[in-house]
Amino acid sequence: EVQLVESGGVLVQPGGSLRLSCTASGFTFSMYWMSWVRQAPGKGLEWVATIKQDGSEEYYVDSVKGRFNISRDNAKDSLYLKMNSLRAEDTAVYYCARGAWGFDFWGQGTLVTVSS
Amino acid sequence: QSALTQPPSVSGSPGQSVTISCTGTSSDVGSYNRVSWYQQPPGTAPKLMISDVSNRPSGVPNRFSGSKSGNTASLTISGLQAEDEADYYCSSYTSTSTYVLFGGGTKLTVL
Repeated sequence: EVQLVESGGVLVQPGGSLRLSCTASGFTFSMYWMSWVRQAPGKGLEWVATIKQDGSEEYYVDSVKGRFNISRDNAKDSLYLKMNSLRAEDTAVYYCARGAWGFDFWGQGTLVTVSS
Repeated sequence: QSALTQPPSVSGSPGQSVTISCTGTSSDVGSYNRVSWYQQPPGTAPKLMISDVSNRPSGVPNRFSGSKSGNTASLTISGLQAEDEADYYCSSYTSTSTYVLFGGGTKLTVL
């Protein structure tokens, strides 16, 4: 059974940093593109970032370019999102999802709240 | 780049059919068969219902079908059931710097 489990979401002050983690199981992690998608409270889904199987390609939504970094450790079956210079508008549930532009499995999400 | 355009809400009675549209541009929906549809009941994570315009993953009822014409993709749900009530989102690959776009979401109400 495919499982994606996110962690690391907390309350953080504006300008702060945070690293989210996603641990995968039930499939060969190294064979798949992986992505982060977020959902602000009461709002729709927004794609955030995507990384290729070997980490050689990364893509970001314009609003996080230069502030967020997606990475992965295939030996640990883990996906990460390092978030810097956080803003109030980054407040959202962050989902880890399998795939590049179509996401066939999703985690349960982890809530990031940016507030003073 | 702006999100894909979906109607905010649709509704139908049990047993009826409904169609949700997803309109993009020639940079995304119109040029690539990389359109997906997701179902999200309240308080839960999204679930893939349709991939690559019209492919239904294992376990998704055949009441759900997808299609595309020009810059608009569509999700049709036939034989509506109460359990289909949820928010539905489309997504597409885009050749712009954004890479992936989502629609704004459509709330389906089963009357």
